[in-house]
Parts: sequence; C-alpha cells; structure tokens
Amino acid sequence: EDQVTQSPEALRLQEGESSSLNCSYTVSGLRGLFWYRQDPGKGPEFLFTLYSAGEEKEKERLKATLTKKESFLHITAPKPEDSATYLCAVQATDTGFQKLVFGTGTRLLVSP
Amino acid sequence: GAGVSQTPSNKVTEKGKYVELRCDPISGHTALYWYRQSLGQGPEFLIYFQGTGAADDSGLPNDRFFAVRPEGSVSTLKIQRTERGDSAVYLCASSPGGDQPQHFGDGTRLSIL
Repeated sequence: EDQVTQSPEALRLQEGESSSLNCSYTVSGLRGLFWYRQDPGKGPEFLFTLYSAGEEKEKERLKATLTKKESFLHITAPKPEDSATYLCAVQATDTGFQKLVFGTGTRLLVSP
Repeated sequence: GAGVSQTPSNKVTEKGKYVELRCDPISGHTALYWYRQSLGQGPEFLIYFQGTGAADDSGLPNDRFFAVRPEGSVSTLKIQRTERGDSAVYLCASSPGGDQPQHFGDGTRLSIL
C-alpha cells in the first residue's frame, strides 16, 4: 500500500533560521511527488512536482529535492509569511495513477 | 483566472439529513477530484472524474456517498443519511489530466450535529 510519512509534525523557527522538512514515501512505482502549502481555512496550494531521483526545484526561499525513498523541502532564511502546513503527496503508477496519497503534513511556524 | 470554486463554504446539518456539495473546476480542466480532510490529517482521496465518468471511486467510504459530473464540468458530491463521522472538510481539485498538478478549492466544512 502506498504510504507517505512526514516529519517533523511541527517545527518552530526564528526568522532567518534555515531548516528542512522530510517526506518519506513507500510506493511500488512513483509517477510524481508533489509539495503543497496549506494555510488555515484554505485548500492546499501547489508548490512543486518532482518526477525522478536527483531532481530539484526551487521557488523563492523553497527548494525541493527527491531521492528514491524521500523528499526534502529546504527553507532558506524563512520569513513569518512562510508559516503554514506543508503537505507532501505521491502519485503512484499502480493505483490508477491519478489519485494523490498525502502525508499528514508539517506545521511550520516562523517567528519574527 | 478563476480557481476552483466550492459551495457552500460551510454546511451544518443534523444527523440523518441529506447534503449536496458543489464544485466548479478551473475552466478547461478535464480531470476533477474529491478529497476529504479531517482535522490534523492530510486530504484523503474519494473519487476521480475524467470528463463525465467516474474513473476511480475507490475512495468512497460506503454507498451513502455518491458523486456526479453530468456535463463534464461542475460536480456534486452527495451524502445520504449523514452521520457525525462524516464531519470534515471536503476538498475538490481539478487538473488538465495526466501527471499535471491538481489545483484545490478552499473546501466545504461539513458539520453533522
């Protein structure tokens, strides 16, 4: 069964303090790994798609990387507006390859 | 352009009642998805439409849940004989299909009293 585990569950950073969020996944065949940001009371907002090990994507202070077993979301010099829950999801080749299987997310709080 | 629109944003009803939740996808997106998100959890897949047909309904928890997309655009998720355990945020997403990213609406927060 496809499974996604995110750690830590919660992370508190000072503004400017860089860190990384982890997403470990188990899937028979990976079609894509997706990172989303979710603010309270809102739907998930798409950030990145990664398709193969070694791939990296960047957007402002965020950089996502992918290996065969996990993905990292690196946050460089975060700002308070980066506070949100970050969700990781996989799309597998063997489960109709359309549905996303999500982890439970990492709640990030960046203090000024 | 307009994103995915879901109505109502909040719905409170009594146990045993019937509810309908509506989703307007991004114009031109052929794929539409419903997910359910409980507090502190990630979204959980319910059903996927490609065009008018339900291509994968493996996530629907039981036969009280049903969804339609009669013209290949707007979709309605229908829940009969609601139970307190159905309380959650119901999210809709759409995409151009394939491995293109899914774009989510802000959901309907359903509360069953």
